[in-house]
Amino acid sequence: DVKVTQSSRYLVKRTGEKVFLECVQDMDHENMFWYRQDPGLGLRLIYFSYDVKMKEKGDIPEGYSVSREKKERFSLILESASTNQTSMYLCASNLAGGTYNEQFFGPGTRLTVL
Amino acid sequence: AQSVTQLDSQVPVFEEAPVELRCNYSSSVSVYLFWYVQYPNQGLQLLLKYLSGSTLVKGINGFEAEFNKSQTSFHLRKPSVHISDTAEYFCAVSGISGSRLTFGEGTQLTVNP
Repeated sequence: DVKVTQSSRYLVKRTGEKVFLECVQDMDHENMFWYRQDPGLGLRLIYFSYDVKMKEKGDIPEGYSVSREKKERFSLILESASTNQTSMYLCASNLAGGTYNEQFFGPGTRLTVL
Repeated sequence: AQSVTQLDSQVPVFEEAPVELRCNYSSSVSVYLFWYVQYPNQGLQLLLKYLSGSTLVKGINGFEAEFNKSQTSFHLRKPSVHISDTAEYFCAVSGISGSRLTFGEGTQLTVNP
C-alpha cells in the first residue's frame, strides 16, 4: 500500500513563528504536492515538486516556501505564520509519466495560528 | 486552465435513498475527471476516474459517474446510500498532459437514518 505520512495531525502556532510541515512518502514517487483545504474553497495547490530540489508554484504560493532535499520528503515552510494561514494542509504524491497516475494523499495537518 | 464547480455544498439524504452529486467543469483542452472522497479526519481517497472510453465509470463502494462532454458535466451517483457514505466529496479535473489537479469546492453528503 502506498503510504503518505504527515508529521503532525494538529499543530498550534503563534503569529510570526516559522512553521515546518513535513511529508514523507514510501513509494518512490517523483511528484509531490502541497494543498491547502478550506471550507467552501476545496483544495488549492500551494506548491509541487517533480524531482529532488525542483519545485513549481501552484495557485496560492504567497507566504509559503518548500524544500525537497530527498525524494521521499517534501516540506512546506511558513516563514512567518499569520492567522490567515489557519487551515488544513494536505500532502500528496504520485508517479511521473504515463497516461495518468493517481495522487495519494496523507491524512492532513490541521494548523491553527493564534 | 481548468475549473470545476460543484453545484451543491451540502446534500442531506436518508439512508437507502438515491443520491446525485453534481459537478461541472470548464476547460479549453481535453481532460481527465475524478471524484475523491474524504471521510472525517482522513485524507482524500480516489472514488473513480474518467480517462477515456465508456462515459459511464464505476468506482468503489457502489458509486458511478457519467461523463457528459456536451454539458461539461461529471455527476456522481449512487442508487442507495448508507450511513457510512457520510463524507465530503470532491470533483477534480486535470489536463491530459499534466499531473496537476484542480478541485471543486466540495459537497458534504450527510446520510441520515
